[in-house]
Amino acid sequence: LAKTTQPISMDSYEGQEVNITCSHNNIATNDYITWYQQFPSQGPRFIIQGYKTKVTNEVASLFIPADRKSSTLSLPRVSLSDTAVYYCLVGDSQAGTALIFGKGTTLSVSS
Amino acid sequence: ETGVTQSPTHLIKTRGQQVTLRCSSQSGHNTVSWYQQALGQGPQFIFQYYREEENGRGNFPPRFSGLQFPNYSSELNVNALELDDSALYLCASTPGRVGTEAFFGQGTRLTVV
Repeated sequence: LAKTTQPISMDSYEGQEVNITCSHNNIATNDYITWYQQFPSQGPRFIIQGYKTKVTNEVASLFIPADRKSSTLSLPRVSLSDTAVYYCLVGDSQAGTALIFGKGTTLSVSS
Repeated sequence: ETGVTQSPTHLIKTRGQQVTLRCSSQSGHNTVSWYQQALGQGPQFIFQYYREEENGRGNFPPRFSGLQFPNYSSELNVNALELDDSALYLCASTPGRVGTEAFFGQGTRLTVV
């Protein structure tokens, strides 16, 4: 399983764009990159998943360069309610559903 | 709301006791996974059940066991509780054995004293 490295914490202000970068140097050919969001005392929530280039949904965008050794989760115009822990996961979506979480990035949004 | 419900939401047990946690999976999902999340850490995979059979296990001792029922709901049992078992226990369901988009419940906060 590819190991991921992401910043422990980030601070932002309301209305700003936040970019959280995740490194996964040993990503395998069949691996997808998935991001989850977790609020205190709640279970993680799936945000976005991608394999290469760019993926966008109503919540976030995911940018993946050609070498796929890193990825960036982009949250446009964050609000206080985006304060949460964000996890970057890398794994083969066809190999099973066991998710391997690291410590994640704690994003704090202030007014 | 993910449609995955867990009970109870909070629980206090004494060291050495046994505990059973319950999870109802999202409608149409036949696979349930359990995770343990210690304070300040990411969730750690305990095991997974697919159509009532264990289908993968993380690095947890045998005193962590589980069941999945015909309606795909699930139980997590922990025997001989230790203080380090204090954690948030999360249940996640998926529509099949594969896929990385899981739907988590709100968790059960277990405190062992």
